[in-house]
Amino acid sequence: ELKVEQNPLFLSMQEGKNYTIYCNYSTTSDRLYWYRQDPGKSLESLFVLLSNGAVKQEGRLMASLDTKARLSTLHITAAVHDLSATYFCAVDEMVGGKLIFGQGTELSVKP
Amino acid sequence: DAGITQSPRHKVTETGTPVTLRCHQTENHRYMYWYRQDPGHGLRLIHYSYGVKDTDKGEVSDGYSVSRSKTEDFLLTLESATSSQTSVYFCAIRSEDTRELFFGEGSRLTVL
Repeated sequence: ELKVEQNPLFLSMQEGKNYTIYCNYSTTSDRLYWYRQDPGKSLESLFVLLSNGAVKQEGRLMASLDTKARLSTLHITAAVHDLSATYFCAVDEMVGGKLIFGQGTELSVKP
Repeated sequence: DAGITQSPRHKVTETGTPVTLRCHQTENHRYMYWYRQDPGHGLRLIHYSYGVKDTDKGEVSDGYSVSRSKTEDFLLTLESATSSQTSVYFCAIRSEDTRELFFGEGSRLTVL
């Protein structure tokens, strides 16, 4: 059974600092997704990582996937307040149709 | 706009009553999903569908049933609602090429 774990679950950052969110998963998969959720809102797709070594960047966020280590990272560079949100990773089970989510990382960026 | 609408968006009901949530898509996608979101648990998969009349269970399917009689509609039913089913429910459709999910706006259900 596929398990997905994120850490940290809560992250309070100062503006301008860098940090990384980690997403570990328990069974083989080469498809992983990152989503953002603002309070009271739905989930918005950020990154789609479709193979080992995939790296995607959008603004101050960069996501990568290491399928051998079963690990994805979401790196935040020079954080700004607008990045405050909850970030989820989700892993495709590959066989069948399930997409399993991590618990989410609640990010708060303070001035 | 991913072409997904959920209804109702908010509902308050009493323990023991049946509840049906509807997810409607205009994109003709094959796969549709129901998740629930609770603090500390992220999103947990309830059921999903891979075609008309084809459904499968997710991580937390007990107490829920689903039906898909046509491509565009995926219904989630709580036969006898309990307070533990108070949650925000999200429907999603899956992209045919990347397999990423696109989510509806959510339905907030409160069971008293």
